[in-house]
Amino acid sequence: EDKVVQSPLSLVVHEGDTVTLNCSYEVTNFRSLLWYKQEKKAPTFLFMLTSSGIEKKSGRLSSILDKKELFSILNITATQTGDSAIYLCAVLNGANSKLTFGKGITLSVRP
Amino acid sequence: GAVVSQHPSRVICKSGTSVKIECRSLDFQATTMFWYRQFPKQSLMLMATSNEGSKATYEQGVEKDKFLINHASLTLSTLTVTSAHPEDSSFYICSAGDSRISGANVLTFGAGSRLTVL
Repeated sequence: EDKVVQSPLSLVVHEGDTVTLNCSYEVTNFRSLLWYKQEKKAPTFLFMLTSSGIEKKSGRLSSILDKKELFSILNITATQTGDSAIYLCAVLNGANSKLTFGKGITLSVRP
Repeated sequence: GAVVSQHPSRVICKSGTSVKIECRSLDFQATTMFWYRQFPKQSLMLMATSNEGSKATYEQGVEKDKFLINHASLTLSTLTVTSAHPEDSSFYICSAGDSRISGANVLTFGAGSRLTVL
């Protein structure tokens, strides 16, 4: 069974801090790893990672994948209160096209 | 970008009634849509894969007679929670992959439907 473990489960920081969110996974047939941000409702897409060592960047957010050690990190620099959300990591199984989600990391950014 | 519309966003019903939730891909066709359920502070759990023109594929432990899925067209999938009970109260989210983007690896999610069964 595919498995995604995220850590920490929750995090409280102050504006301006840098945070690193962790995601480790086990999957029988790896196709890609995805990061989503979930605020009040549905998740919104952040990054899709398929290759090791290649950093994806979007503004203050960046993410990288290590397929040898089976983990990914999501970094957020100079955090803002608008970054407060649940960050979900998911892996896509290439054999059955199923997406398995981790429990998510609840990030709270205090002013 | 791809947009998925889900309705209703919130529904409250009495125990024993049935509730239908619609999921529409607005600007793309989706031969496959996915239905997830999310409990508070829990992850998204895949319930079933909805296939246009054929039967849905349900995950282990999900009752197909309880959660009826119909994917009648390339842009619409519906989930009907039959004879709802309080334990069915949850947040239900649908998603679809736009095959024009990255081979449909990236899913677009609907806004979700909060079901409360009294």
